[in-house]
Amino acid sequence: NAGVMQNPRHLVRRRGQEARLRCSPMKGHSHVYWYRQLPEEGLKFMVYLQKENIIDESGMPKERFSAEFPKEGPSILRIQQVVRGDSAAYFCASSPRTSGSDEQFFGPGTRLTVL
Amino acid sequence: AQSVTQLDSQVPVFEEAPVELRCNYSSSVSVYLFWYVQYPNQGLQLLLKYLSGSTLVKGINGFEAEFNKSQTSFHLRKPSVHISDTAEYFCAVRLLTGGYQKVTFGTGTKLQVIP
Repeated sequence: NAGVMQNPRHLVRRRGQEARLRCSPMKGHSHVYWYRQLPEEGLKFMVYLQKENIIDESGMPKERFSAEFPKEGPSILRIQQVVRGDSAAYFCASSPRTSGSDEQFFGPGTRLTVL
Repeated sequence: AQSVTQLDSQVPVFEEAPVELRCNYSSSVSVYLFWYVQYPNQGLQLLLKYLSGSTLVKGINGFEAEFNKSQTSFHLRKPSVHISDTAEYFCAVRLLTGGYQKVTFGTGTKLQVIP
């Protein structure tokens, strides 16, 4: 049973370009979470999605960031017109349910570098 | 809203010595508590979790944590550390209520095991 998969593992973009980060949850998991880890900081929640629905995007910046989890295919975190401050590690996690004691299973992350 | 505090950003310890990584939380309701470990350039992996019952929780790799409700703490301990324990450790909390509840992470503690 494959774990949470993220690609690419490393992504380099120039200022103003777009970054697309992909996350495939574990088999049987329908809940996906995105987190951002800035250098020397902990994980900050960004968004929680179920298939075709954004449930909680309270941690997502209002501009340039968007996320989706289509009926088919991986979840996508999209950052438009990237700036240097977007350089960070972006982690995806999945769970079978969203409440209670269920742990979240994390992917290896995508490390975004904005030049 | 809940919050998690990890006061120690870095903890150096000699190999085979004991270690305690501190975690305090604040919440107006009961919570689930988690410890995750992050090895360099990897995602987070669950070490252990406290749901209910015995306040002493045993996890993987010889780690354990003790839930102290009166002190709102969930400190992580290991009696004898190995070089391979060098990693960053995150404490996390989720509210013990029904429905969707966000997981809140602490800022992390970097454990450096010195040979």
